[in-house]
Amino acid sequence: DTGVSQDPRHKITKRGQNVTFRCDPISEHNRLYWYRQTLGQGPEFLTYFQNEAQLEKSRLLSDRFSAERPKGSFSTLEIQRTEQGDSAMYLCASSPQGMTGELFFGEGSRLTVL
Amino acid sequence: GQQVMQIPQYQHVQEGEDFTTYCNSSTTLSNIQWYKQRPGGHPVFLIQLVKSGEVKKQKRLTFQFGEAKKNSSLHITATQTTDVGTYFCAGPDGNTGKLIFGQGTTLQVKP
Repeated sequence: DTGVSQDPRHKITKRGQNVTFRCDPISEHNRLYWYRQTLGQGPEFLTYFQNEAQLEKSRLLSDRFSAERPKGSFSTLEIQRTEQGDSAMYLCASSPQGMTGELFFGEGSRLTVL
Repeated sequence: GQQVMQIPQYQHVQEGEDFTTYCNSSTTLSNIQWYKQRPGGHPVFLIQLVKSGEVKKQKRLTFQFGEAKKNSSLHITATQTTDVGTYFCAGPDGNTGKLIFGQGTTLQVKP
């Protein structure tokens, strides 16, 4: 399968714990995006990368959230000191460089904070 | 900031009936994209419209981009149970290009 892959698919954690999600984009795609989706809502933009450079981070993100794409390939999204309000589906998507079109989404990582 | 809004939020139809969802942006868009998310799945790209007044068809689905490039619609003719899911429109932020999604229209089809 050469699509976008995310790991883990499901994560249950206790409030206050740190969690990390990984995203492996389609190999030739230079742009990588993180979105968050809660029930009944559309994907909400969190951040995106062009190669290893983080070009934008949503103002909605607190400083508990950090994302990296160290070698311009896979990316990680870390949430520190999780809160119940962080419970959501975290979606990763990729797209080819220079293309303002289609995003290819992964299956998502569902986070439940107890 | 830029907002993308969709109506209705939910639509229940009998199989064979038509369905339309509407999308409005607070700003003029360079393009509009449509995605479908099946229950328990992830968003999947359907189409992109670029030109003012553009109309594109995919079998029973008709997509339209408004003349002012601030609104769009998706019309499904003679719905089938396979059309069930949530349909999202999305437009690029004018300054950064990041894709802003509407809240979606969830379609239920009764057989």
